[in-house]
Amino acid sequence: EAAVTQSPRNKVAVTGGKVTLSCNQTNNHNNMYWYRQDTGHGLRLIHYSYGAGSTEKGDIPDGYKASRPSQENFSLILELATPSQTSVYFCASGDEGLGGSSQNTLYFGAGTRLSVL
Amino acid sequence: SQLAEENPWALSVHEGESVTVNCSYKTSITALQWYRQKSGEGPAQLILIRSNEREKRNGRLRATLDTSSQSSSLSITATRCEDTAVYFCDSSSGSWQLIFGSGTQLTVMP
Repeated sequence: EAAVTQSPRNKVAVTGGKVTLSCNQTNNHNNMYWYRQDTGHGLRLIHYSYGAGSTEKGDIPDGYKASRPSQENFSLILELATPSQTSVYFCASGDEGLGGSSQNTLYFGAGTRLSVL
Repeated sequence: SQLAEENPWALSVHEGESVTVNCSYKTSITALQWYRQKSGEGPAQLILIRSNEREKRNGRLRATLDTSSQSSSLSITATRCEDTAVYFCDSSSGSWQLIFGSGTQLTVMP
């Protein structure tokens, strides 16, 4: 069973503070992703990575940085947290798809609920 | 950049009934996936159906794909309370990113 673990599960931060969300996967997947989920917006891609040392911008990267120091770990960093970043954040890892297809099956963590006051 | 949309926005059924969720997508695809997200959890894949397939089954789940109308459906038979969740579809654009719509909220009542 694929395993993606996020920490912390809940976080309260102050405006202007620094927040780091951590994600660890034991699937040996190359690809990892950070999403945020807000009512009415579904899941929106913030940053992704296709291997250790790489980070790429997703659809809504502003205000966020990412770090992929190893195959297993992928962090999301909010250098100056704002109330608009209050959300539920999901990390996911994925394989390259089956049978030569580029379709990417993702395995999600349980999420981190972040409140910025 | 919403490439897929689920409808209806919400559904309610009683246990044992069947239900269908629909998805429309906007680009040519190599495959389409259905995910389910229960309250307090991350999404989990249910079915992957490739563009050369018209139907795929997984237990009580049945997915169909119509590439001519760029639409897909997910049917659940003999629903259970634990099927209560938000259901998402993802239409592959050929890249390895995954893009969800806003989802369909399914509530199964006892």
